Amino acid sequence: DIQMTQSPSLLSASVGDRVTINCKASQNINKYLNWYQQKLGEAPKLLIYNTNNLQTGIPSRFSGSGSGTDYTLTISSLQPEDFGTYFCFQHNSWPYTFGAGTKLELK
Amino acid sequence: EVQLVESGGGLVQPGRSLKLSCLASGFTFSNYGMNWIRQAPGKGLEWVASISSSSSYIYYADTVKGRFTISRDNAKNTLYLQMTSLRSEDTALYYCARQLGSYWGQGVMVTVSS
Repeated sequence: DIQMTQSPSLLSASVGDRVTINCKASQNINKYLNWYQQKLGEAPKLLIYNTNNLQTGIPSRFSGSGSGTDYTLTISSLQPEDFGTYFCFQHNSWPYTFGAGTKLELK
Repeated sequence: EVQLVESGGGLVQPGRSLKLSCLASGFTFSNYGMNWIRQAPGKGLEWVASISSSSSYIYYADTVKGRFTISRDNAKNTLYLQMTSLRSEDTALYYCARQLGSYWGQGVMVTVSS
């Protein structure tokens, strides 16, 4: 099974900051990597699919990059509504697996 | 508007069974693969099972293989998860999600406890 190691687990940042969240796969996942945002009490929301494709309706301050085993989600200028928990997800091979999550909190 | 509405959750004793349903609307259900994903209280996300649009391909997480069965009825626009031999570690909020998570339901809670 492919293990997804997400870092950091907790990130404190301020409005306007540029933040990055990382995900490392235990083997090559061929860019089949999605990013989700989850706010407390809500279902997750798809932000980025297949490494760098912005889901419809998601602001352009969100971007993704990476290849092979290493992937990054970047928020260029943090907005108040961006606080929550972020998960990466590989769908290169079964069983699909999620990262453990990064909680993004207000500094 | 795409909607996914889960139902069938509740409190169940260890070893018993439960069947979840997910009613889809706002899109052509028969064109999309579907998934069940769960989240234990205060924990992260765990992919549980996937089924292709025509039910030709089905996959399970190792933690539920042999105990859970995913199925769908395209005529009823409904996804199912039959859960048997339930364990305390199956306690979670169960989400159905379209394709690779482009849309999610609000989830249904399953609590396994004596």
